[in-house]
Amino acid sequence: SQKIEQNSEALNIQEGKTATLTCNYTNYSPAYLQWYRQDPGRGPVFLLLIRENEKEKRKERLKVTFDTTLKQSLFHITASQPADSATYLCALEVSGGYNKLIFGAGTRLAVHP
Amino acid sequence: DADVTQTPRNRITKTGKRIMLECSQTKGHDRMYWYRQDPGLGLRLIYYSFDVKDINKGEISDGYSVSRQAQAKFSLSLESAIPNQTALYFCATSDSGRSNQPQHFGDGTRLSIL
Repeated sequence: SQKIEQNSEALNIQEGKTATLTCNYTNYSPAYLQWYRQDPGRGPVFLLLIRENEKEKRKERLKVTFDTTLKQSLFHITASQPADSATYLCALEVSGGYNKLIFGAGTRLAVHP
Repeated sequence: DADVTQTPRNRITKTGKRIMLECSQTKGHDRMYWYRQDPGLGLRLIYYSFDVKDINKGEISDGYSVSRQAQAKFSLSLESAIPNQTALYFCATSDSGRSNQPQHFGDGTRLSIL
């Protein structure tokens, strides 16, 4: 069956360090992958999109990689800040999926001062 | 003002009641979606609509129905609520202009069915 997996355990890191979150998938042929941030009591907010033919994408302190051979995306936040504390969701659209997204359950990140 | 507005934000009701959750958007997007979010399961797609005349079932549509009253409005109904429909419900929109569009979410409705 098709599955997207994100680490269910919270990631705790010290301020200033790089946070790395993982998204693994099976039995998909993704056209592209998106990352969202979700704060408690709020809806997800789009952060970055990476296409299947792109290896890496950057936006300010954020970096996403996409390895279709390993079926994995990594999401990095460099120079992390307490304000980066949130749950981060990855989402896939499979080829021909007409913008229908399949979401992972998310990983909670806590950045400590 | 929020681009995607959901009402109510919280609702507590009893088993068997009919409930309607409403979503309106000012983004001018053609595509609208309803998801539910449960702890540990992530967002799951209930229904989606690519324009006013196009409505499609998602992964978990049983027990739900929808109405697309206008481009800007998309309502989700639970005809006879049951406790396992207790969840956080999100509406989202996306632009249909091209592929690879991000989705824009409302802040959700927390629904509890007793």
